[in-house]
Amino acid sequence: DQQVKQNSPSLSVQEGRISILNCDYTNSMFDYFLWYKKYPAEGPTFLISISSIKDKNEDGRFTVFLNKSAKHLSLHIVPSQPGDSAVYFCAASEYNNNDMRFGAGTRLTVKP
Amino acid sequence: DAGVTQSPTHLIKTRGQQVTLRCSPISGHKSVSWYQQVLGQGPQFIFQYYEKEERGRGNFPDRFSARQFPNYSSELNVNALLLGDSALYLCASSLRTATNEKLFFGSGTQLSVL
Repeated sequence: DQQVKQNSPSLSVQEGRISILNCDYTNSMFDYFLWYKKYPAEGPTFLISISSIKDKNEDGRFTVFLNKSAKHLSLHIVPSQPGDSAVYFCAASEYNNNDMRFGAGTRLTVKP
Repeated sequence: DAGVTQSPTHLIKTRGQQVTLRCSPISGHKSVSWYQQVLGQGPQFIFQYYEKEERGRGNFPDRFSARQFPNYSSELNVNALLLGDSALYLCASSLRTATNEKLFFGSGTQLSVL
């Protein structure tokens, strides 16, 4: 049961433009959402998170938007840089449940 | 400060064998979680331990077991290996077990079962 879905396996954008990575979920009990970034041969690293009581959280070039009615969240990276090229995982958790669910990831390539 | 360290980095085993993977959390972190990442998929939760007690278990067979030591390091054991156990095994540590706690991942152990 894939409760967190990232339907785009890959995304390519030009340096300086906006990158938009999308994530959908099916479990309405999820109340906390996170984005992780993964470079080859490294473990995922935390990028940004959002609680279900908010609809937007911003940290520098990274903004996460949450649409609870649509069960959809997105990560915006503006402006995109070549160093942002990595696999991005969307993750979600439910209160009092340690089973954090991850999407399959989206490989972002930022071209110089 | 050292991050989460995992050993070994790579491992090759044959079907039916047993394997032990090791993880040292970030200093001060008392919670350790284990994840399995199969190629092309996201990490899948296996276990979480906090203060040496199991606090969560994912949908994995009993062949998978883990433990946490007094120094908060952890081991993941997999018995009777199957070809499908081939994956990247990730360990993550956090200060607490709250579900809004961000995880700090190690680089993983790549297990190949032949």
